[in-house]
Amino acid sequence: AQSVTQLDSHVSVSEGTPVLLRCNYSSSYSPSLFWYVQHPNKGLQLLLKYTSAATLVKGINGFEAEFKKSETSFHLTKPSAHMSDAAEYFCVVRGGGATNKLIFGTGTLLAVQP
Amino acid sequence: GAVVSQHPSWVICKSGTSVKIECRSLDFQATTMFWYRQFPKQSLMLMATSNEGSKATYEQGVEKDKFLINHASLTLSTLTVTSAHPEDSSFYICSASGTGERGYTFGSGTRLTVV
Repeated sequence: AQSVTQLDSHVSVSEGTPVLLRCNYSSSYSPSLFWYVQHPNKGLQLLLKYTSAATLVKGINGFEAEFKKSETSFHLTKPSAHMSDAAEYFCVVRGGGATNKLIFGTGTLLAVQP
Repeated sequence: GAVVSQHPSWVICKSGTSVKIECRSLDFQATTMFWYRQFPKQSLMLMATSNEGSKATYEQGVEKDKFLINHASLTLSTLTVTSAHPEDSSFYICSASGTGERGYTFGSGTRLTVV
């Protein structure tokens, strides 16, 4: 079965410093992986997705993630944090087999300090 | 890009009443709709998956008679919380996926408060 583990429930960075949000996945085959962002009381916005093409995926708002099969990781990074990046981030894997449902990680709350 | 409109954005209802939440795909045909529930400071939990014209498939532990899902058209799905109780208070989010559209578009969510 597919699953994702977000290693940090909270991450705090200073504005202008790099962001690293960690995610490890478990899958019996090549997975489809996503990162979504959720601002308070809002829906989810897709940041980027990996679907077995290039292992380095560039997303919106300067975010990118690298798929590393050897480490079963899909960490999200951004070179320089902005105040508007403060939000909840979810690492997500698509379910396998006949199902196309998404399986969510527990989320990482990113705080950006001025 | 693909847009999903979810209404209402928030609703307060009395215990014992029913509440309907709508989710519409505005510019694509949503062959599959997903309904999620999110408790404060927690992740999204999938409640059910519905394909247009078919009965919804509920996740384990979700009461299908309490959370009625209708997906009668390719652009509209509804979730009705029947006989709501305070423990049903939560944030409900829909997500739509269409044919040939490998992505998932989320609605903006509905904050339900049962008093």
